[in-house]
Amino acid sequence: EAGVAQSPRYKIIEKRQSVAFWCNPISGHATLYWYQQILGQGPKLLIQFQNNGVVDDSQLPKDRFSAERLKGVDSTLKIQPAKLEDSAVYLCASSSRPQNYGYTFGSGTRLTVV
Amino acid sequence: AQKITQTQPGMFVQEKEAVTLDCTYDTSDQSYGLFWYKQPSSGEMIFLIYQGSYDEQNATEGRYSLNFQKARKSANLVISASQLGDSAMYFCAMSSYGQNFVFGPGTRLSVLP
Repeated sequence: EAGVAQSPRYKIIEKRQSVAFWCNPISGHATLYWYQQILGQGPKLLIQFQNNGVVDDSQLPKDRFSAERLKGVDSTLKIQPAKLEDSAVYLCASSSRPQNYGYTFGSGTRLTVV
Repeated sequence: AQKITQTQPGMFVQEKEAVTLDCTYDTSDQSYGLFWYKQPSSGEMIFLIYQGSYDEQNATEGRYSLNFQKARKSANLVISASQLGDSAMYFCAMSSYGQNFVFGPGTRLSVLP
C-alpha cells in the first residue's frame, strides 16, 4: 500500500510569512495526526483528526496554527505568521483506528524560518 | 501525565554486536502500549516493535526485542547483530487507550564498521 504522502519536503521562509503543508494519509485511515518535531526532541502532537472532525488540538498554538481535513481524507496545516521557533520537522501520521498502534508516518516537511 | 525518559543521547556500537537502548516511562494507567520507532536521516518515523502492558512475553521482531520490566517501568530496546543501516535516531513512545502518543527525546545510535 502507498504510504503517507507529505509535501513539500523542505521549506524556507522568512519570519512573519505564511506557510502551508499538505498530507495525504493511507487510503482508508480514518485518523490523521500532525506532529511537530523540533531538532533534538521527540515529536509533539499538534492535532488529531478522526475523519474530518478534530479530536485533540490542545497543543496547537491556535493564534498562528490552523489545520483542516476536508472530506476526511487529506489535510493541510498552516502557520500564519511564522516565528523563528516554528523551525522544525512537521510529521503527518495516519492510523486505521483512533487508538494506539498502527501509526504510519510520512517523511515530514522540514521548515526553516529565517 | 505520561512521560518517557531516554537517558542516552547517543550510543556507539560495533557492527555485528548487540546494543541496548534504554527507556523508562511514567504512567498511572493500567493499560498502555509501548513502542519503538526508528528515524533515519531521511526523517521518516519507522515503527519497529510494540509491547502491550498486559503482554506476558517480551515482544520480538526480527533483530529487535523489547526487554519489558513492568515493575521497573522500563522498556529497553535490544538490537542484535547491529548493521550499518541501523544508524539512526531511536524513539521510545507510549500511549494509553484513547490517548495519543508521548515520545521520549530519542537516542542517536551510531554503528561503527
